Amino acid sequence: LAKTTQPISMDSYEGQEVNITCSHNNIATNDYITWYQQFPSQGPRFIIQGYKTKVTNEVASLFIPADRKSSTLSLPRVSLSDTAVYYCLVVGVGNMLTFGGGTRLMVKP
Amino acid sequence: EPEVTQTPSHQVTQMGQEVILRCVPISNHLYFYWYRQILGQKVEFLVSFYNNEISEKSEIFDDQFSVERPDGSNFTLKIRSTKLEDSAMYFCASSAGRETGELFFGEGSRLTVL
Repeated sequence: LAKTTQPISMDSYEGQEVNITCSHNNIATNDYITWYQQFPSQGPRFIIQGYKTKVTNEVASLFIPADRKSSTLSLPRVSLSDTAVYYCLVVGVGNMLTFGGGTRLMVKP
Repeated sequence: EPEVTQTPSHQVTQMGQEVILRCVPISNHLYFYWYRQILGQKVEFLVSFYNNEISEKSEIFDDQFSVERPDGSNFTLKIRSTKLEDSAMYFCASSAGRETGELFFGEGSRLTVL
């Protein structure tokens, strides 16, 4: 099971771009990189998933270098409502998601 | 947008009592999961369920826990004899496929064991 390492916390201000980097040095060939968001007292919510290069959706972008040993979640122009915990997960067959401690993002006015 | 619904939102029970947490997964999903999160700690996998049987379970999911899909819509988690350390937020999730990595989580059921 690939272990992930990400910052414990980050602070940002409204309107800024936030980049959260995650390292996963022992990612396996069939693993995908997946990010979830969790607000207090709510269930995690899927944000984005990728295998390599760049993936973009209406919420975020995910950058994955060629060696796939790290990935960066990019949140454009954050708002106060983006304050949450962001989890980087490496997901293989079976969807048995293993959540780490995540990155607690605080967006300030 | 379809969503996973869970009941109750909060349950308080006495130690040793049985508790059943209920979930209605998204209707066309085939894979179902229970996770839990003790206050201030990580989200932990408990069990996955497919085709009316358990696919995988963690060490946490011991003989005190069981899951069931009693009809075509509900997915339940039963804790036979609750312990203080079972106090947590329990999240149900469902997915369309087994390898997508995209799980849809419910809002959770907060269990408090006194």
